[in-house]
Amino acid sequence: EPEVTQTPSHQVTQMGQEVILRCVPISNHLYFYWYRQILGQKVEFLVSFYNNEISEKSEIFDDQFSVERPDGSNFTLKIRSTKLEDSAMYFCASEGSGEQFFGPGTRLTVL
Amino acid sequence: GENVEQHPSTLSVQEGDSAVIKCTYSDSASNYFPWYKQELGKGPQLIIDIRSNVGEKKDQRIAVTLNKTAKHFSLHITETQPEDSAVYFCAAVGTDKLIFGTGTRLQVFP
Repeated sequence: EPEVTQTPSHQVTQMGQEVILRCVPISNHLYFYWYRQILGQKVEFLVSFYNNEISEKSEIFDDQFSVERPDGSNFTLKIRSTKLEDSAMYFCASEGSGEQFFGPGTRLTVL
Repeated sequence: GENVEQHPSTLSVQEGDSAVIKCTYSDSASNYFPWYKQELGKGPQLIIDIRSNVGEKKDQRIAVTLNKTAKHFSLHITETQPEDSAVYFCAAVGTDKLIFGTGTRLQVFP
């Protein structure tokens, strides 16, 4: 069964550093998403991406965040200058037939 | 803005009993309501969903009901098993993004 994959599973970084989180969506899906889950809290929408551009973003997704689909398979989330409050699980999702399928997540720890 | 409320936050049941989790949503344009199960250290897994043109959907031990007038939808798990223990999230979709509820931690005791 096809699945969404994410790398790395855990990323530790110093405050102010740049991080890139990587996702490989399910191959025939066209809509891609990033969500964030702070420990013990609900999953929050960050951004949706379709046809090589952002279709919607939340207020969390400020100028420090960017997304890219550099090739036909990868979908990346970049945080330019990490803050302590960026520590969270980051989930990528891709959509087919109206259903969103989530990856296993990347745990980002900002020290 | 769009909001999804979920109750209860924790739920403990004996194996074999039923579990019910309830959600309400605020955006009347929402037309798709998935439920996700999240096990420790993993991403949310879609377990069942319902669209606004039906009132109920069942898949083995899991069922979901939707009341569009009241903006309520519920997850029903019958004959619970220890492996049903996880955090369950409801969600609502109006445009394309998922708005999640706050989650319910279900514990099924053998």
